[in-house]
This record gives sequence, structure tokens and C-alpha cells, in this order.
Amino acid sequence: GAGVSQSPSNKVTEKGKDVELRCDPISGHTALYWYRQSLGQGLEFLIYFQGNSAPDKSGLPSDRFSAERTGGSVSTLTIQRTQQEDSAVYLCASSSPRVNEQFFGPGTRLTVL
Amino acid sequence: RKEVEQDPGPFNVPEGATVAFNCTYSNSASQSFFWYRQDCRKEPKLLMSVYSSGNEDGRFTAQLNRASQYISLLIRDSKLSDSATYLCVVNIERNEKLTFGTGTRLTIIP
Repeated sequence: GAGVSQSPSNKVTEKGKDVELRCDPISGHTALYWYRQSLGQGLEFLIYFQGNSAPDKSGLPSDRFSAERTGGSVSTLTIQRTQQEDSAVYLCASSSPRVNEQFFGPGTRLTVL
Repeated sequence: RKEVEQDPGPFNVPEGATVAFNCTYSNSASQSFFWYRQDCRKEPKLLMSVYSSGNEDGRFTAQLNRASQYISLLIRDSKLSDSATYLCVVNIERNEKLTFGTGTRLTIIP
């Protein structure tokens, strides 16, 4: 079956621009997670959704980062006024309440020039 | 102190050898434990969950020591295809965020 998909796969932007990253979870998965992985760093949690609500936003690094989820499915991560330190791979994962396993998408590689 | 600590390696191991990775975690309330595998420029994929009783899947054995807050992964008869980064992962509450170690890089040498 279809896995988690993310778009775009690569994004190059200029410092100061806004970007939107999209995640389509596995159908029927109620939980959705955003992580990022910077060069040489481990995966860092950003935010997670249960349905359309976000019980844990503790990983968002600044108020330039926001995320929403609509219809209990697609999620968008928005980064405003991008900075060079935002360059990373942004990974989305989803999980089913019945199985404690998170399935990851292929990620969006963001480069801020 | 990092929440999940791993030796970053690299581990360069000849094909057919046995290799072991260790990981420690700081939060004693952690409930679920996993090893994920990540290939270069790919997403992480679950290798195996780790249970208190220890568990085995083919050539892979994982163990958990809650008293010492320590997780291990043993790979026997290593294959070239085992070359990857192995991520130690901890989950405090089921179906909530995962906390990752920085990973241990393994290269199997022919």
C-alpha cells in the first residue's frame, strides 16, 4: 500500500522567504509527526498531531515555524522568513493507534541560501 | 546530558563478523524502545522493537536493561547489506514523539 509521501522532495530558497512543506500520511493513521535532521545531527522532534489537534508543539524551534493538519490527513509545515540554520531534511511520520510504530516519509531536503 | 546516547562510530567490520551497539537513555519513565536503520540519504525504517525479555529476529538480537537504562543491538554473521546507520530510539508515551540517538554508523567490509 501507499506509504507516507512528502513534497517537494527538494526545496532551495533564499534567506527571508517563506516555505511550505507537505506531508500525506498513510491512510487511516491518526497520528502525524514532524522531525528534522540537520547535517551531522540526530533526528529532532518538531511537532505531533493527533487528528487535527497538536498536543505537543514543544520541538518547534521558533515562532517562525508553524504547522497545521486538516481533515485528519494532510499536514503542512510552514517556515516563515527562512534562515540558513533552517537548512535540513524535514521528515514526516505517521502511526496508527493500534501499532506503536512510526512510518517515515522520504523527507524534504530544504536548503536556504 | 543527551536523552539518548550512542557511540557514533564509525564501526568498520569484516563481513561475517559479529558486531554490537550500545545505547543509554536518561529518562527512566521511557516505555518503548526501538532500533531504526537509516541508509544514506534515506528515511529511517524500523529494524526492531526492544522488549524487556530481549528479542531476536534472524541475525539481530536486541536487549533492554531497565535498571541500567541501557539498550543493545547484536548483529551476527554481518552482511554487506547491513552497512547503514543504526538509530537507538526511545518513546516515553506510546504513540507520542520519538527521541533519537545520533546514530551509530556501521560499514561492513568485504
